[in-house]
Amino acid sequence: ETGVTQSPTHLIKTRGQQVTLRCSSQSGHNTVSWYQQALGQGPQFIFQYYREEENGRGNFPPRFSGLQFPNYSSELNVNALELDDSALYLCASSWGGQRYSSETQYFGPGTRLLVL
Amino acid sequence: SQQGEEDPQALSIQEGENATMNCSYKTSINNLQWYRQNSGRGLVHLILIRSNEREKHSGRLRVTLDTSKKSSSLLITASRAADTASYFCATPGGNTGKLIFGQGTTLQVKP
Repeated sequence: ETGVTQSPTHLIKTRGQQVTLRCSSQSGHNTVSWYQQALGQGPQFIFQYYREEENGRGNFPPRFSGLQFPNYSSELNVNALELDDSALYLCASSWGGQRYSSETQYFGPGTRLLVL
Repeated sequence: SQQGEEDPQALSIQEGENATMNCSYKTSINNLQWYRQNSGRGLVHLILIRSNEREKHSGRLRVTLDTSKKSSSLLITASRAADTASYFCATPGGNTGKLIFGQGTTLQVKP
């Protein structure tokens, strides 16, 4: 069984640039969630994708967008980067038998983004 | 918004001692989960307890849930240096599929 993987592991961007982060979900999982974790804080929910459709969104502006592909892998795109976007971005996959499943989520190692 | 709040924020103990962390939440839930995070890496799921359960065990971990007080506790018995990490409780965020995390408890286990 392959776990959740994320790429890249680290990234440095400058303010105003755009970034794409990638996530491969665990085998058999159809739901992917993205979280932002600032230093010293708990993860904050960005959005979730269930069977290629957005399934809920946290309090993040529209410049945070995402995709889920037929193989259930996912991308997080952030446009017009701001300094406050510097954080650890975590992807988590789970198996949902229905929408809005709140069962266990399996996290990847994260992508650490630094915006200068 | 933060649903869960962990207490204490930081805990330092000697190897072999027990560590207890508490979590309080605000709204009704159908389950509560505990996760561990080592040094800014990904989160590892430890245990899920459902709202109709009062206590659950997994190895050296014991989790309790008191829905009347909207609180949970995580007990790690006979701690080891490898247990040094941040521990988070997480609750479902209503009909959204998301998990809402607290700010975590940072545990240091000294050898």
